[in-house]
Amino acid sequence: EAGVTQFPSHSVIEKGQTVTLRCDPISGHDNLYWYRRVMGKEIKFLLHFVKESKQDESGMPNNRFLAERTGGTYSTLKVQPAELEDSGVYFCASSQDRHEKLFFGSGTQLSVL
Amino acid sequence: SQQGEEDPQALSIQEGENATMNCSYKTSINNLQWYRQNSGRGLVHLILIRSNEREKHSGRLRVTLDTSKKSSSLLITASRAADTASYFCATDRTSGTYKYIFGTGTRLKVLA
Repeated sequence: EAGVTQFPSHSVIEKGQTVTLRCDPISGHDNLYWYRRVMGKEIKFLLHFVKESKQDESGMPNNRFLAERTGGTYSTLKVQPAELEDSGVYFCASSQDRHEKLFFGSGTQLSVL
Repeated sequence: SQQGEEDPQALSIQEGENATMNCSYKTSINNLQWYRQNSGRGLVHLILIRSNEREKHSGRLRVTLDTSKKSSSLLITASRAADTASYFCATDRTSGTYKYIFGTGTRLKVLA
C-alpha cells in the first residue's frame, strides 16, 4: 500500500513568487491535514479536510495560503505571493478515522529567498 | 498556543541507556500519540494512548499518561544509535475543532 506522498520534496523560490505543494493521501483516507514546521519550532497545524470539505482552517496564516482538495483525493496548498517567513517544512498527513493515528508524508522543504 | 510541550528539548545518551521524554498539555484530551522524525523525513507514528489508559507498551517503548497532571512520558529502553531522531507528542483535544496539536519535540541523540 502506497503511503502519503508529497511533491516536490524541495522548492526554492524568490519572494513574491507562487508555489504549489501537492499531497496524495493514502487511498481511502477521508481525513487530510496540512502542518508546517519552521526551523526549531513546533509542528503547527494549518488545516484539516474531510473528503473535499475544509473542517478547520484556523491554522492558515493568512489569505496568501489557499488549500484545495478537489474530489476528495489529492490536495494542493498554494502560497501566493510567497514571503520570507513562509519558509519551512510543509507536512501532509492522512488518517482513515478521526481520533486515530496519522500517516505523514516526507514533507516539502520550502525556502523563500 | 501550543497544546503539547516536550521536555527536555535535547537529550544525549550512550547506546544501551534508557531515554525518557516528557510531554505536558493544557486541555482535556481523547488520546495522546507519540511520533518520531528522522532527519529529513516525515513523522512516523509510534504509539497511541487513550485518555482512559495509564500505560502502554510497544517493543522497547513504554508510554504513560497522567490525565490529572496533563502529562505523558515516553521511555525508550536499551537505546540504539538508530533511535537518534526527534520525538513529538500530539494531543487530540476533547473540545474545539478536531485536530492534533504537536509540540516542539525532543531531539534525542544516541551515541554509539
